[in-house]
Amino acid sequence: QSVLTQPPSVSGAPGQRVTISCTGSSSNIGAGFDVHWYQQLPGTAPKLLIYRNNNRPSGVPDRFSASRSGTSASLAITGLQAEDEADYHCQSYDSSLSVGVFGGGTKLTVL
Amino acid sequence: QVQLQQWGAGLLKPSETLSLTCAVYGGSFTGYYWSWLRQPPGKGLEWIAEINHSGSTNYNPSLMRRVTISVDTSKKQFSLRLDSVTAADTAVYYCARVAPPFDYWGQGTLVTVSS
Repeated sequence: QSVLTQPPSVSGAPGQRVTISCTGSSSNIGAGFDVHWYQQLPGTAPKLLIYRNNNRPSGVPDRFSASRSGTSASLAITGLQAEDEADYHCQSYDSSLSVGVFGGGTKLTVL
Repeated sequence: QVQLQQWGAGLLKPSETLSLTCAVYGGSFTGYYWSWLRQPPGKGLEWIAEINHSGSTNYNPSLMRRVTISVDTSKKQFSLRLDSVTAADTAVYYCARVAPPFDYWGQGTLVTVSS
């Protein structure tokens, strides 16, 4: 059972916009700790997609954006492309557990 | 360009010891913490431990009784040891640089625990 809760799957057609939610609690996201997002293509290691809530590393398209509010965060992908089909993971820090924590991952299917 | 390359045994029997090593190529080794994480089949990621160049460590409390992380700064390598493995330890294990967050990752090593 992951500390952060993500939907197991989302889907969208090419060109559409999808969002992936990440729900935490008052000891992690709600406490103001940064949220990061990773993209994991099939059979590969995770890749940093968004850091410190809404910052994109060099090379990540601006189709990817993120936001946060209260005890939740969300990742938005606009102009969906086939190459976006992957698992997406959110990550934060939990002060009660004193560890970095992850969501269970969301599988994005491009229809 | 920073690259992490990891290696170690992929098949273990219950009660054996898991041992993995990660080598860092490119970039600074001394300016960061270096972590191990794992991902059981079909599940989410779990942080295991981290270490810096001087040997300062942090462990996931849920695993710390069985985990040892170590570093060899001269070789720019760090290692993971997990004692008394069980089937529940079957996972893909990753090494990663802690920026924070985890900005560079190794390729992953599938470790299967089976009798």
